[in-house]
Amino acid sequence: DSGVTQTPKHLITATGQRVTLRCSPRSGDLSVYWYQQSLDQGLQFLIQYYNGEERAKGNILERFSAQQFPDLHSELNLSSLELGDSALYFCASSSDLTGEAFFGQGTRLTVV
Amino acid sequence: QKEVEQDPGPLSVPEGAIVSLNCTYSNSAFQYFMWYRQYSRKGPELLMYTYSSGNKEDGRFTAQVDKSSKYISLFIRDSQPSDSATYLCAIPASGGSYIPTFGRGTSLIVHP
Repeated sequence: DSGVTQTPKHLITATGQRVTLRCSPRSGDLSVYWYQQSLDQGLQFLIQYYNGEERAKGNILERFSAQQFPDLHSELNLSSLELGDSALYFCASSSDLTGEAFFGQGTRLTVV
Repeated sequence: QKEVEQDPGPLSVPEGAIVSLNCTYSNSAFQYFMWYRQYSRKGPELLMYTYSSGNKEDGRFTAQVDKSSKYISLFIRDSQPSDSATYLCAIPASGGSYIPTFGRGTSLIVHP
């Protein structure tokens, strides 16, 4: 158990809908990362927050957004969902900015 | 050129074999390297964290870095069927963000 908790584990939704994925980092970790993993793309970095502030952006679509709250949990919001958004979404956390990241078990999103 | 390249495999070996998994990277400024193990439909698990050149050993696992060739390796001795998983190398992204950037992963199958 990495100490990173993601909910829900599975999500099935229709195209055009909006969903929110939740992540609780390891106790004491200030940095949260979101990744998307699909079969053909591997693990793709989406966005990073550090102590409540957006720190870095990767290949995140404009339809996607995230935030980190004062208690350090984070949410990833995905809107106007398309079939191609079906993937595993992982949250990871680390204590600082130097990259030793610990992953949650992921949320499997299926868009139908 | 991708920052980190990895042969996707699959690599199939008999139980007890020594396994060699490899990655190449492009930026010679990287100072540390990570190996993650991912079982099917699970979150990546941090396996090894290597900060400098040379070897680092942890039980049956040895991580090796060759900075002159920009080559990192993970060796697994006495491989077991439970080692069957996808192994991902990760490096901190260039440009100062240190975001873990992953290779595509190598699928390893250890058959009894």
